[in-house]
Amino acid sequence: DAKTTQPPSMDCAEGRAANLPCNHSTISGNEYVYWYRQIHSQGPQYIIHGLKNNETNEMASLIITEDRKSSTLILPHATLRDTAVYYCIVRVVGAGSYQLTFGKGTKLSVIP
Amino acid sequence: EPEVTQTPSHQVTQMGQEVILRCVPISNHLYFYWYRQILGQKVEFLVSFYNNEISEKSEIFDDQFSVERPDGSNFTLKIRSTKLEDSAMYFCASSHQGGEDEQYFGPGTRLTVT
Repeated sequence: DAKTTQPPSMDCAEGRAANLPCNHSTISGNEYVYWYRQIHSQGPQYIIHGLKNNETNEMASLIITEDRKSSTLILPHATLRDTAVYYCIVRVVGAGSYQLTFGKGTKLSVIP
Repeated sequence: EPEVTQTPSHQVTQMGQEVILRCVPISNHLYFYWYRQILGQKVEFLVSFYNNEISEKSEIFDDQFSVERPDGSNFTLKIRSTKLEDSAMYFCASSHQGGEDEQYFGPGTRLTVT
């Protein structure tokens, strides 16, 4: 089962920052945090991942707490097209397992 | 931007029939995956494939399922004798390396078993 806990749903006003939290209190040293999203029934879309440092790319920023037990995905200026289910996934790297274990995620609704 | 493609987008088949779902991964990727999502449920891992071998599979991936990379570009999932409960969206994904590399997903094939 998923090793993460996310709120089932969130709303965000268009143009504002969307901050999506994720708890992963049992994360171990060789586990990375990945974020994917799924718009309607499309294939999951990779957003960002990190180990312990904060990360930023053209889509989002990932803030990981110092103890690594939680993280926040930040979409800096949410648009209506960002309405989707967002999945926070913890995955071991280097142990020969590549599967992503999806939970129920957070359904983000961006409101005009 | 390179992307994973899947065909067909929708497949309808009768129970007991064989079905082959096709995927073209991103061209320089080495690791390939299949996932499925039953309507209203979570995305579930089926199998990963590297160097022409299955590297990992889930409990769902039983003897009715098989995967193949028949040529340098296609990656297929075969279900030998479909059951009603095989109805789902099937997603193919690929990654350049294993390790921490991100997986890129295709748009999916909706399989409906009647």
